[in-house]
Amino acid sequence: GENVEQHPSTLSVQEGDSAVIKCTYSDSASNYFPWYKQELGKRPQLIIDIRSNVGEKKDQRIAVTLNKTAKHFSLHITETQPEDSAVYFCAGPYYGGSQGNLIFGKGTKLSVKP
Amino acid sequence: NAGVTQTPKFRILKIGQSMTLQCTQDMNHNYMYWYRQDPGMGLKLIYYSVGAGITDKGEVPNGYNVSRSTTEDFPLRLELAAPSQTSVYFCASTWGGRNEQFFGPGTRLTVL
Repeated sequence: GENVEQHPSTLSVQEGDSAVIKCTYSDSASNYFPWYKQELGKRPQLIIDIRSNVGEKKDQRIAVTLNKTAKHFSLHITETQPEDSAVYFCAGPYYGGSQGNLIFGKGTKLSVKP
Repeated sequence: NAGVTQTPKFRILKIGQSMTLQCTQDMNHNYMYWYRQDPGMGLKLIYYSVGAGITDKGEVPNGYNVSRSTTEDFPLRLELAAPSQTSVYFCASTWGGRNEQFFGPGTRLTVL
């Protein structure tokens, strides 16, 4: 069945360094890959997404890359800041019904040390 | 726009009690979802709806029921609460297909 594996589960970086979080998926038909950020005690919010017709997408300090051959996609955060500290979730399409459904990874807790 | 709202914010239930978690969105989204988030885990889909009158099961539907009588509202019903249902519950909505899902603030439920 569908599965999304996310690594690492925790990541600690110094302010200004880069952070990379990787997700692998099992369904080769998957074509939509969002990333959500969840601050402590808050709701998840979309920060960036990518569709399978592109290999990379950037939005200021955040970028997502997609490798369809290897079935993995990664979140890249450059010049990290303390406010980037949060839990980040990747997701992929879940085909157990509606095409709008998502299956989420277990999350990566990112800590940015000042 | 208020976006997606949920009530209550917190609730403690005794084993065997029942309750309804309310979810309302004012963005005229046709797709709505209920997720649960256990500590240190990702989001698991409980039920979803692609429009008024249409609902279907997600990954973890056992012990829950939903209804969708209007576009705006998507309540989640817990019957015979069990400790395993202790979790944070998020409602979300989107305008369809693979697009950004907007989440509510969550309901923290404890079953003792």
